[in-house]
Amino acid sequence: NAGVTQTPKFQVLKTGQSMTLQCAQDMNHEYMSWYRQDPGMGLRLIHYSVGAGITDQGEVPNGYNVSRSTTEDFPLRLLSAAPSQTSVYFCASHHYGANVLTFGAGSRLTVL
Amino acid sequence: AQSVSQHNHHVILSEAASLELGCNYSYGGTVNLFWYVQYPGQHLQLLLKYFSGDPLVKGIKGFEAEFIKSKFSFNLRKPSVQWSDTAEYFCAVTPGSGNTPLVFGKGTRLSVIA
Repeated sequence: NAGVTQTPKFQVLKTGQSMTLQCAQDMNHEYMSWYRQDPGMGLRLIHYSVGAGITDQGEVPNGYNVSRSTTEDFPLRLLSAAPSQTSVYFCASHHYGANVLTFGAGSRLTVL
Repeated sequence: AQSVSQHNHHVILSEAASLELGCNYSYGGTVNLFWYVQYPGQHLQLLLKYFSGDPLVKGIKGFEAEFIKSKFSFNLRKPSVQWSDTAEYFCAVTPGSGNTPLVFGKGTRLSVIA
């Protein structure tokens, strides 16, 4: 049972480049979410999904896109990377109603 | 909107000292409350949670937290910390329906020195 798998673990981008952070879970969790973690800021919600085909914005959605075509996958797309998006990104999932998050190992992104 | 306040940014304790980390939230209704821990270089793990019932909740590794509804607080405690408790601790809250995203506090970094 792999839990929540995030790729890549590390990525360096130049300003303006686009990329996708991958997130997959094998627990059949309905609910998936993306957070970013910045020093002194805690975790801030970017986007979340309550099921395939349904996504919604969190606290800091600007500059990011998501889609949820399957229960298992919830990719996060950076459309045009900016230095302000340098951060550690965590994907998490849980069963609908349970609200106990299982986190991935994180993806550290640096935008130059 | 809900918010979570963690009062201490960085706490430094000697081994065997007692720990209390403060957490206050702003939401008037039923809430689910959590403490997560992030050890250096690792992802977040659940320490303990409160959904209902006994307001004193016991978690892993000797941690406990007390939900005080009148104070909108959910403080984390441990009677005697160890060096291995060095980590960042996050308080989180969500309304009691269970299907609203968690809101996290900014975290408290705990350093335990020998």
